[in-house]
Formats: sequence, structure tokens, C-alpha cells
Amino acid sequence: GQQVMQIPQYQHVQEGEDFTTYCNSSTTLSNIQWYKQRPGGHPVFLIQLVKSGEVKKQKRLTFQFGEAKKNSSLHITATQTTDVGTYFCAGRGKLSFGAGTTVTVRA
Amino acid sequence: EAQVTQNPRYLITVTGKKLTVTCSQNMNHEYMSWYRQDPGLGLRQIYYSMNVEVTDKGDVPEGYKVSRKEKRNFPLILESPSPNQTSLYFCASSLDKVAYEQYFGPGTRLTVT
Repeated sequence: GQQVMQIPQYQHVQEGEDFTTYCNSSTTLSNIQWYKQRPGGHPVFLIQLVKSGEVKKQKRLTFQFGEAKKNSSLHITATQTTDVGTYFCAGRGKLSFGAGTTVTVRA
Repeated sequence: EAQVTQNPRYLITVTGKKLTVTCSQNMNHEYMSWYRQDPGLGLRQIYYSMNVEVTDKGDVPEGYKVSRKEKRNFPLILESPSPNQTSLYFCASSLDKVAYEQYFGPGTRLTVT
């Protein structure tokens, strides 16, 4: 199936700082979805990007789809303890999830 | 309430003893799938189903079976479980394979000794 790589695998963030996690595909994606999994929980849908270069915001979260539709990023500003969890990107079609970026926050 | 349910939530079993993990959704979704989650490997798709009686292999189908006799149910069957199938399993459903979000069940933690 499609190979979707996420970097970094782990992100340790000081509360209040910003960070970005990246999702790279070996093939062009029809769309990309982002999910969040809290510790002990199940993945929950955050957002879907469809258009080349698309940017969407959800409060402190900014999602971007690359121009070539082969990569995406999630940028979180002013990280809070509620942001703790693992963030997955997923390329639909022949669905493939990245391994995720696990975020921990230092208060 | 729209939801995906899985049973059991936790299961400890022994090698070779057949087991079934049930999955049910109440959203009239056509697309359903099973994933396993292992540390460092993320979510890997086992099987998926586009509709009743239509199933297909995902990326890691070996050792698993599925069936889709009704739209709402998509059980995962391990005919002869082995220790390497110890994992966290998620069932998910969606309106279709491509364009819509997936709703995940709460997960089933399986340990095979």
C-alpha cells in the first residue's frame, strides 16, 4: 500500500511552545486526514485536506496539504497539556496511516 | 448516539484457540475496516469491507479472517491465534473508502500466550 511516513516519531514540548509534525507520502494522495489519539483512547478524526496547497485551521492547530499532494503538516501553537496524544495522518484511497507523532508536554 | 462498538474490550487467550472480536456500527456506514496498533508501527490495516459480502485484504491480513453478512457488523476472526497477534485492535467505519472520516471503536486489547 501507500507508504506514509511521519516525523518526528516523538515530540517533547514545553507548554506554551509551538511545534510542527510532518507527513510524507511516496505517492500522490487524493486527500489526507489527520486523527488524534489520546493516551488509552481511540483515534478521533480532526480534519481532511483535499486540495493542493490547502490550509485549514482549528483554533491553535494549522493543517497544510503540500502543493504536490505528497506531504502534509500539522502545526500547533502555544501547546497545552490537552494536546498530549498521538497524531496520525492517513492517506485515503488505499488507506495507509503513518506511524504517528506522540506528543508529550512539559508543564 | 452514533458509535462503533467492539467486544470484548480485553481478551487473554492461548495459542491456537479460535476467537472472534465483534464490531458493530449504528451509522449505516458502507465501509468498515480492522486495524492493529503496535508500538512504533502505528495503525496497520488488516481487512476492509466496501459493503455487505464485499471484503478485501489490507496490509497485514495473514492469520485473520473477516465476514460482512450484515451492513452493521464486521467481525474479526482469528482461527488459530499466535503470540505475534498480541496487539491492540480497532474497528472503524465510514461512509465510503475515500472521502469521509473514519469512526473508530474503543479498541480490543488482545494477548495471546
